[in-house]
Amino acid sequence: GEDVEQSLFLSVREGDSSVINCTYTDSSSTYLYWYKQEPGAGLQLLTYIFSNMDMKQDQRLTVLLNKKDKHLSLRIADTQTGDSAIYFCAERTGANNLFFGTGTRLTVIP
Amino acid sequence: DTGVSQDPRHKITKRGQNVTFRCDPISEHNRLYWYRQTLGQGPEFLTYFQNEAQLEKSRLLSDRFSAERPKGSFSTLEIQRTEQGDSAMYLCASSLVNTGELFFGEGSRLTVL
Repeated sequence: GEDVEQSLFLSVREGDSSVINCTYTDSSSTYLYWYKQEPGAGLQLLTYIFSNMDMKQDQRLTVLLNKKDKHLSLRIADTQTGDSAIYFCAERTGANNLFFGTGTRLTVIP
Repeated sequence: DTGVSQDPRHKITKRGQNVTFRCDPISEHNRLYWYRQTLGQGPEFLTYFQNEAQLEKSRLLSDRFSAERPKGSFSTLEIQRTEQGDSAMYLCASSLVNTGELFFGEGSRLTVL
């Protein structure tokens, strides 16, 4: 079955880069996602990557996918206090729903 | 269109009462999903529709839960005889078929006393 794991907490200083990691188990994943959730709010789609890609860059965000190791990472360059939130990794398999990790709480220290 | 909207944003009810949540997806999105999120956890899939057809239901969706999308546009999620364990954030998402992007609403938070 599907299992998505993330570390629970990450703290970085403002201006540094943040790297949030995720591992998943289902090798049939078609898409892998990163969502951001601020307190009391819904999920904001940050970026996603198709499983046949290794990397995707979008402004300050860089997604790396190692399909062999089933490892996904999100790098946020020049992290700002507004980036403080919970970041969820999710995988989508042949079925049409997403399986989410438990989220990584990113704290940016001014 | 400003995105997926959900109503109500918050609902407090007593155990045993019925509640209904509504989701309006992004216009022309033919897929609509319901997820549940409890404190400290990631969202868990409940069910999804393609147009008006409910194509998949999770085992989490007990007999007390029913979802509809009668005209292929908005959807409702009803919980009958609510229990304290139903307290959670209920999230709706929508997408086009065969695209990677799922867009979520702000959620409907249910508190069962």
